[in-house]
Amino acid sequence: EPEVTQTPSHQVTQMGQEVILRCVPISNHLYFYWYRQILGQKVEFLVSFYNNEISEKSEIFDDQFSVERPDGSNFTLKIRSTKLEDSAMYFCASRQGLAGEGEQFFGPGTRLTVL
Amino acid sequence: AQSVTQLDSHVSVSEGTPVLLRCNYSSSYSPSLFWYVQHPNKGLQLLLKYTSAATLVKGINGFEAEFKKSETSFHLTKPSAHMSDAAEYFCVVSEKAGFQKLVFGTGTRLLVSP
Repeated sequence: EPEVTQTPSHQVTQMGQEVILRCVPISNHLYFYWYRQILGQKVEFLVSFYNNEISEKSEIFDDQFSVERPDGSNFTLKIRSTKLEDSAMYFCASRQGLAGEGEQFFGPGTRLTVL
Repeated sequence: AQSVTQLDSHVSVSEGTPVLLRCNYSSSYSPSLFWYVQHPNKGLQLLLKYTSAATLVKGINGFEAEFKKSETSFHLTKPSAHMSDAAEYFCVVSEKAGFQKLVFGTGTRLLVSP
């Protein structure tokens, strides 16, 4: 069964460093998403991506964040200068694109720890 | 704006007894509703979804949920809990149209005792 994969599973970084979180969505999916879950809090939407551009972003997704689909398979989230409050579990999701009906499939997440 | 309220942060049941996890939603549009489950150190798995067909939705592992528009509710039930059901459950709402970002509830942790 096809699945969304994410690497790395854990990432530890120093405050101010850049990190890139990687995702490989399901191959025939057209819509891509990033969500995050700060420890003990609910899952929050960050950004959606379709047709090689951002379609919607939340207020969390400021200038420090960027997304890219550098090739036909990967979907990345970059945080340019990490802050302590960026520590969270980051989930990638993808959706096939059937209007109104398609569920989002989630990856296992990357746990980011900023020291 | 859409939102979801999960009324219980924790629910404890004994194995073999019924499960009820409560969810109320708010949406300006005709919503899609989902329940996702998260086992410890695992990703989010879809249990079931309501889009606009039958109001009683059956999902995996014996779970089901009923969409009640008049009560703006989408409660998750299971007739008989199993130890493997112990996990965090999220009620989720999205718009049917557009890019369909998901709006999550705060989650309910289900504890199952022998």
